[in-house]
Amino acid sequence: EIVLTQSPGTLSLSPGERATLSCRASQSVSSNYLAWYQQKPGQAPRLLIYGASTRATGIPDRFSGSGSGTDFTLTISRLEPEDFAVYFCQQYVGSPPITFGQGTRLEIK
Amino acid sequence: EVQLVESGGGLVQPGGSLRLSCAASGFTFRTYAMTWVRRAPGKGLEWVSAISGDGAYTYYTDSVKGRFTTSRDNAKNTLYLQMNSLRAEDTALYYCAKNAMDGQAYYDYWGQGTAVTVSS
Repeated sequence: EIVLTQSPGTLSLSPGERATLSCRASQSVSSNYLAWYQQKPGQAPRLLIYGASTRATGIPDRFSGSGSGTDFTLTISRLEPEDFAVYFCQQYVGSPPITFGQGTRLEIK
Repeated sequence: EVQLVESGGGLVQPGGSLRLSCAASGFTFRTYAMTWVRRAPGKGLEWVSAISGDGAYTYYTDSVKGRFTTSRDNAKNTLYLQMNSLRAEDTALYYCAKNAMDGQAYYDYWGQGTAVTVSS
């Protein structure tokens, strides 16, 4: 099973700043089968990025994903008020089990 | 418009059973694998189970094997999760999610979730 470790646990930033969230895998994530989701309180998770770097439909271009192998990054170039939420990474290599990271909470400073 | 609507959650005693449903619309249901994901209070997302589009293949996380059963009725566009021998650690918000259009196991649409509380 691939274990995903996200850092930091909590990130405190102000609107307009740049956010960099990390997701590290315990073994290589082949074919860059890595996705990112955003979840706000009381809402379902929302797919942001798949294939490590491809934005999902309707996702603003201030969100970008990068990385390969065991190290992946979600970057939000200029934070908008609606971006403050919890972010999860997920690997989907091969057969289950599918695993998620524990999440990074992005809060307003 | 794709919609996934879960139902069937509630309060149940340890050892009890519940059956969750997920009604799907807005896409060709039988074409897509479907997945159950849960989020326990104060915790992150946890993949629970998945089922192929034709229902022939099912997959489970180790902690629910032998207790939970995922099934689907493609004529009714509905996904199910039968949960037996429930434990306190099964307390969570349960989401159904649609696997992506390219067949990979990431999830492009999610329901709003149904809450399961296991407590005496």
